[in-house]
Amino acid sequence: DAGVTQSPTHLIKTRGQQVTLRCSPKSGHDTVSWYQQALGQGPQFIFQYYEEEERQRGNFPDRFSGHQFPNYSSELNVNALLLGDSALYLCASGLGGRLEKLFFGSGTQLSVL
Amino acid sequence: EDQVTQSPEALRLQEGESSSLNCSYTVSGLRGLFWYRQDPGKGPEFLFTLYSAGEEKEKERLKATLTKKESFLHITAPKPEDSATYLCAVRESGYSTLTFGKGTMLLVSP
Repeated sequence: DAGVTQSPTHLIKTRGQQVTLRCSPKSGHDTVSWYQQALGQGPQFIFQYYEEEERQRGNFPDRFSGHQFPNYSSELNVNALLLGDSALYLCASGLGGRLEKLFFGSGTQLSVL
Repeated sequence: EDQVTQSPEALRLQEGESSSLNCSYTVSGLRGLFWYRQDPGKGPEFLFTLYSAGEEKEKERLKATLTKKESFLHITAPKPEDSATYLCAVRESGYSTLTFGKGTMLLVSP
């Protein structure tokens, strides 16, 4: 049973560029959440997708956008990259609105130079 | 004001030396308190969910407890493989997302 898979594992970009990160949820899960984790900090909630719609959003600018596909996989897009966007981006999946457990992927390490 | 505060920030133990990690929270309407373990460069790994004061859960050398304002993660006779960052998170009523603390970095020396 595959867990949450994310790609790519590492990415290096320069300021002003755009990036797309991808996530496949754990088998049977239909809800995907994205978190940003800066070095030495806990994960911070970006947004959550359920039934292909953004259901909740954290305190992140509009440069951060996402999408969920019919197969429940998801993308996170970040435009106009800033140095401060360098972080580990985590995808977490769950089932429906209960989300009693969130299962996390290993993340994408984004470095913005 | 942070909703979730973890202490200490870092903890160094000798193998076999038991201790506790603390997570205090200020959210109203707690809908779950979660503990995760995170190894360097990896995503958090689910450990426990606690829902009400007085609840306890155990897994191997770990035991989590919950009161109305805080949770403790007790580590009994730790081994070097228990070295990791332990994250606490809360789910607040009306939300389906988690708010995390900054974590406690645990190092267990042989």
